[in-house]
Amino acid sequence: AQSVTQPDIHITVSEGASLELRCNYSYGATPYLFWYVQSPGQGLQLLLKYFSGDTLVQGIKGFEAEFKRSQSSFNLRKPSVHWSDAAEYFCAVATQGGSEKLVFGKGTKLTVNP
Amino acid sequence: GAVVSQHPSRVICKSGTSVKIECRSLDFQATTMFWYRQFPKKSLMLMATSNEGSKATYEQGVEKDKFLINHASLTLSTLTVTSAHPEDSSFYICSPSISEHYGYTFGSGTRLTVV
Repeated sequence: AQSVTQPDIHITVSEGASLELRCNYSYGATPYLFWYVQSPGQGLQLLLKYFSGDTLVQGIKGFEAEFKRSQSSFNLRKPSVHWSDAAEYFCAVATQGGSEKLVFGKGTKLTVNP
Repeated sequence: GAVVSQHPSRVICKSGTSVKIECRSLDFQATTMFWYRQFPKKSLMLMATSNEGSKATYEQGVEKDKFLINHASLTLSTLTVTSAHPEDSSFYICSPSISEHYGYTFGSGTRLTVV
């Protein structure tokens, strides 16, 4: 069964600094990978997804992620963090594009210092 | 496209009562709906998968008699928490399966507090 590991429970960065959130997955074939953001008390918003093709994926809000098959990773990055980026970030994997359930990592809470 | 409306956003109920949560797909038809539960400071765990016109499939450890799921139409799926107890307090989120779209969308979630 597929699984997702987000090694960092909590990350604190200063506003304007760069950000990288780590995500490792376990799945035999090429997975469908997603990053979501969740503000307190809110639902999930899709930041970006990877299905195939270019391994560097651009998302909304200036985020990008890179799929590295050799490392089974799909790390999320942003060159300059804004205070409004403070939230919980979830990496998720699915075995198919839209017809199978998502398996989520445990999330990384991002705090942004002024 | 792929807008999901989930109601209510917050509900407080007394122990022993039942609460119904609705999830509507507004601009598409969802043959399958996933229901997730999120504990405080925890990740989302799939509770069950509902399919229009048939019985839901529950994940291991989820009580099907407590969490009743109905998917009577292609645009509406409901989750009813029956005889609620404080330990059922949680954040519940629905997500439709959209085979023709890439990616998943989620409802805005329902914060259930049982007192």
